[in-house]
Amino acid sequence: AQSVTQPDIHITVSEGASLELRCNYSYGATPYLFWYVQSPGQGLQLLLKYFSGDTLVQGIKGFEAEFKRSQSSFNLRKPSVHWSDAAEYFCAVGALPMNRDDKIIFGKGTRLHILP
Amino acid sequence: EPEVTQTPSHQVTQMGQEVILRCVPISNHLYFYWYRQILGQKVEFLVSFYNNEISEKSEIFDDQFSVERPDGSNFTLKIRSTKLEDSAMYFCASTSGNYTDTQYFGPGTRLTVL
Repeated sequence: AQSVTQPDIHITVSEGASLELRCNYSYGATPYLFWYVQSPGQGLQLLLKYFSGDTLVQGIKGFEAEFKRSQSSFNLRKPSVHWSDAAEYFCAVGALPMNRDDKIIFGKGTRLHILP
Repeated sequence: EPEVTQTPSHQVTQMGQEVILRCVPISNHLYFYWYRQILGQKVEFLVSFYNNEISEKSEIFDDQFSVERPDGSNFTLKIRSTKLEDSAMYFCASTSGNYTDTQYFGPGTRLTVL
């Protein structure tokens, strides 16, 4: 079955500290992987995506993610968080090509809290 | 940069009433989707739409739901008789269908059913 697991519901880090949000996926075909961020009451903003090539992908706002096929993981990282990074983060998986009935499957999200 | 837009941003309705949520996908996109997110939960797929017909729908998308592309720009989700449990954020998304293009999400419509 296709699924995305984000094992951490909440994570709290101090401002300036490094961050890693975990994501594991189960997908039968070649996965197309995403991280989205959602601020309270807001929509979904795409941070980064991966489908092939270099397994370390750079995204917006200083985020990066590493694809590890052997571990079926796509963890999100940031070397130094800012208070404005406090939000909900969703890992998601889809298929290539992204068309027709290829829905995106989301994880349950990780809420990131930042301590001053 | 082109973006998906949705109206209204917030809709309040009484249980049993019909609501129509509107979306304007990115203009050259061919594939359209609705997702919903109940407060505090994950985003769930509702339905995909291509070439004026539903491609896939989830078990959530029962007979109370329908989608339509009434003209060349709008994509609508209709809930015929709303229930309390339909209260959620509804996201529209679209994609071109090109090999590596992703789905672009709108800002969402928050539906509150009283």
